[in-house]
Amino acid sequence: AQSVTQPDIHITVSEGASLELRCNYSYGATPYLFWYVQSPGQGLQLLLKYFSGDTLVQGIKGFEAEFKRSQSSFNLRKPSVHWSDAAEYFCAVGAPLGDKIIFGKGTRLHILP
Amino acid sequence: GAVVSQHPSWVICKSGTSVKIECRSLDFQATTMFWYRQFPKQSLMLMATSNEGSKATYEQGVEKDKFLINHASLTLSTLTVTSAHPEDSSFYICSASLTSGADTQYFGPGTRLTVL
Repeated sequence: AQSVTQPDIHITVSEGASLELRCNYSYGATPYLFWYVQSPGQGLQLLLKYFSGDTLVQGIKGFEAEFKRSQSSFNLRKPSVHWSDAAEYFCAVGAPLGDKIIFGKGTRLHILP
Repeated sequence: GAVVSQHPSWVICKSGTSVKIECRSLDFQATTMFWYRQFPKQSLMLMATSNEGSKATYEQGVEKDKFLINHASLTLSTLTVTSAHPEDSSFYICSASLTSGADTQYFGPGTRLTVL
C-alpha cells in the first residue's frame, strides 16, 4: 500500500534562509508525487508534481523538489524563503494507474522575521 | 483554468440536522470527484471517490449512510452530512479530476462545518 511520511511536524526558518522539507514514500514502483501548500482555512494549492523524466522538478513560487528513487524521497526545497511562505505543506503520492492521492501528515512552516 | 469551487465556505448547524455541501468544477468537466475530511492540524483523509452517474466508492470506516454523495453531472458533486453531530465538525475539501487518474486533481477551497 502507498504511504507518505513527513518526518517534521514543524519547521522554523528565518526569512531569506534556505528551506528543505522532507518527504519519504512507500510504493512498489515509481508513483506520482506531489507537493501541496495550504494556508490557514484554505484549500490546497499544487506547488509541483513528478510523474517521470527529469528528477528535479520546478514548481511555482520558486519551489523545487528532487525525486530520489534510491532513498524513496521527494524533498521540497526553496533557496530563500519569504514571510508569505508560512503555511502547511503536504507531500502526497498517487498510483499512476489509480485515482487516489494519499497525503502525508503535513509540515507546518514558520518564518522568523 | 481548472477551478473548483465549494459552497458554502462555512456552515453552522444544529445537531440532528442535515447539511449539503456543493463542489463544482467551473471550467472543466470532471470525470471523477473526491471528498476529503481534514481535522484541525491534521492531514487530509479521503472519504470517498465519485464518478458521474454512478455510486460513490467510500473508504473504509466512512459511513455511506451518513455521508451521502451525489455526482449528478460532470460539473457538480454534493456531499450531504445527515443527522449531523458535533463530532462531524470538520473541514471538508473536494477535488475534481479531468481523468480517472491521480495526476489531474484540482482542489476546492474547502467548507468549514461546525455542528452545535
